[in-house]
Amino acid sequence: EVQLAQSGGALVQPGGSLRLSCEASGFTFNDRTMHWVRQAPGKGLEWVSLITWDGTYTSYADSVKGRFTVSRDNIRNSLYLQITSLTTEDTAFYYCAKDGGGYNWYFDVWGRGSLVTVSS
Amino acid sequence: SSELTQDPAVSVALGQTLRITCQGDSLRNFYAAWYQQKPGQAPVLVIYNKNKRPSGVPDRFAGSSSGDTASLTISGAQAEDEADYYCSSRDSNDNRPVVFGGGTRVTVL
Repeated sequence: EVQLAQSGGALVQPGGSLRLSCEASGFTFNDRTMHWVRQAPGKGLEWVSLITWDGTYTSYADSVKGRFTVSRDNIRNSLYLQITSLTTEDTAFYYCAKDGGGYNWYFDVWGRGSLVTVSS
Repeated sequence: SSELTQDPAVSVALGQTLRITCQGDSLRNFYAAWYQQKPGQAPVLVIYNKNKRPSGVPDRFAGSSSGDTASLTISGAQAEDEADYYCSSRDSNDNRPVVFGGGTRVTVL
């Protein structure tokens, strides 16, 4: 079964940092682009970041650029999101998602989400 | 703000047909994908590459596209189809390579 197991969500103070993890199973992790998508409570989905299969290309939403860093370990079948300089506007569920492949990026498998709450 | 535009909410009578639209410039160059999200759950892909259904998605879900508008049609809506639906697509803007619509809340009456 294809799965993405997430961990790392927490309550963090403004200005703090956190690392989210996402462990993949059931598919060939090292040939897939992976994404992070977030959803603030009661709000819509927001694309956050992507990393290509080999880690050579990354991209970020303007709202997180310079504060978030995506990385992957293809030996451990794991995806990471290092988040720093957190503000209350970063409070959200963070989902890792597998790209479906091909020219049109879409998300065919999602993790269950990690809740990041930024509050003093 | 979202770069893809969706109606915030629509309702449909049980067993009737519903169409949700998603409009944006990126759809002139890239196919839309559609996701269903129920309360407290992660989104689930229901349509990709304009009109393809993942395994396990009922065939009452169908996608189409014309110009800058993509559509998701649910034929014979069931109670379990009540959910939020989001469209997304790739975008040619390197600063924003993936865009989402704001979501449409579907109520089955």
